Amino acid sequence: QVRLEQSGPDLKKPGASLRVSCKASGYTFTSYYIMWVRQAPGQGLEWVGGLSPHNDKPNYAQKFQGRVTMTTDTPTTTAYLVLKRVTSDDTAVYYCARVRGFYDTSAPDWGQGTQVTVSS
Amino acid sequence: DIQMTQFPSTLSASVGDRVTISCRASQDIGPWLAWYQQKPGRAPKLLISQASVLETRVPSRFSGNGSGTEFTLTINSLQPDDFATYFCHHWTFGQGSKVEVK
Repeated sequence: QVRLEQSGPDLKKPGASLRVSCKASGYTFTSYYIMWVRQAPGQGLEWVGGLSPHNDKPNYAQKFQGRVTMTTDTPTTTAYLVLKRVTSDDTAVYYCARVRGFYDTSAPDWGQGTQVTVSS
Repeated sequence: DIQMTQFPSTLSASVGDRVTISCRASQDIGPWLAWYQQKPGRAPKLLISQASVLETRVPSRFSGNGSGTEFTLTINSLQPDDFATYFCHHWTFGQGSKVEVK
């Protein structure tokens, strides 16, 4: 079955970069988009961006442009999210999810979430 | 980015009630809207894709409707397990609608 295994919780100081990984299995990695979503404490879901492993063309939310990088490594079927210059506002649970396509952006499979805390 | 506006933000209901949540897209997205249910501490669960297609093993009391910019999620005969927060999604997410016990 489809499985998305994320890296463990992380603590970052303000100004540092956060990196979350998402190891995919159970499906053809290059056939589906991966999107990244975050959820701050007590808040809703916030789309960070998405990436097709087929062509590595990212689609970032405007809010994160210039600060975010999403990549994939096809041999290890792993997706990565890097967010630079973090502040306390970036404290959140970060999720990766498998997306059906560019138009049908529904996500039937999600990682378990990675808690990232930004604190000095 | 497309903006998704969801309402109400909170809905108080009782078991057996019919509830409806609305979602509006800032531009025409055709049928490409999904609905999720989320419970505290859990990842979202996909309920409906393509505005009205029920995912496998999702109870038939859930239904979705709409196209273009206006969409709705309806839960017929609300069950105890349905008290949760619901999100609409097309790349970006709506703000969420919490269904709570009246």
